[in-house]
Amino acid sequence: DQQVKQNSPSLSVQEGRISILNCDYTNSMFDYFLWYKKYPAEGPTFLISISSIKDKNEDGRFTVFLNKSAKHLSLHIVPSQPGDSAVYFCAASAESGNQFYFGTGTSLTVIP
Amino acid sequence: ETGVTQTPRHLVMGMTNKKSLKCEQHLGHNAMYWYKQSAKKPLELMFVYNFKEQTENNSVPSRFSPECPNSSHLFLHLHTLQPEDSALYLCASSQVRQGSGYTFGSGTRLTVV
Repeated sequence: DQQVKQNSPSLSVQEGRISILNCDYTNSMFDYFLWYKKYPAEGPTFLISISSIKDKNEDGRFTVFLNKSAKHLSLHIVPSQPGDSAVYFCAASAESGNQFYFGTGTSLTVIP
Repeated sequence: ETGVTQTPRHLVMGMTNKKSLKCEQHLGHNAMYWYKQSAKKPLELMFVYNFKEQTENNSVPSRFSPECPNSSHLFLHLHTLQPEDSALYLCASSQVRQGSGYTFGSGTRLTVV
């Protein structure tokens, strides 16, 4: 059973607009969440994280929001740039270990 | 060299071949992982090594055999694979503590013919 879900396989956004990528999880024990970005022919690279004691974490153009009651997190990119075009994975882990569970990814295309 | 290095980048092998994937990390991390990425599927955890000891084996077929000779090196030995094993194999490392994410290598694109 998939514990982390990204229900939108793809998203297209105009340059300069906001990109919103969504992620849902089922395990209430998850307390640490990451977003990774992956370009073709490269491994995923860490983008931004949030722990369950916060509901928002911001880093430049990237903001992650966490709604624990809904078991939902989202990544906002504003303004979106063509270089942001990539596959974005969300991942979650529980306090019991350092194993992360990944979603299937959302392919973002930012149109110039 | 820094980060996590995987070799080879691409591999084509027949179903009767034996090959090995190599991963090396230069970050001083004490945990290493093998993940499999297939199209339209989540990243699947295959094996976890903490302090060189295997701690997870997520029902991976025996045709995949990991080896961790030290905390910096991780191998995945492959034999008699099936075409459905074709995928991107990613190695990652981390420091074993809460709040530590992974650093991934670039992956090995494996094609089984």
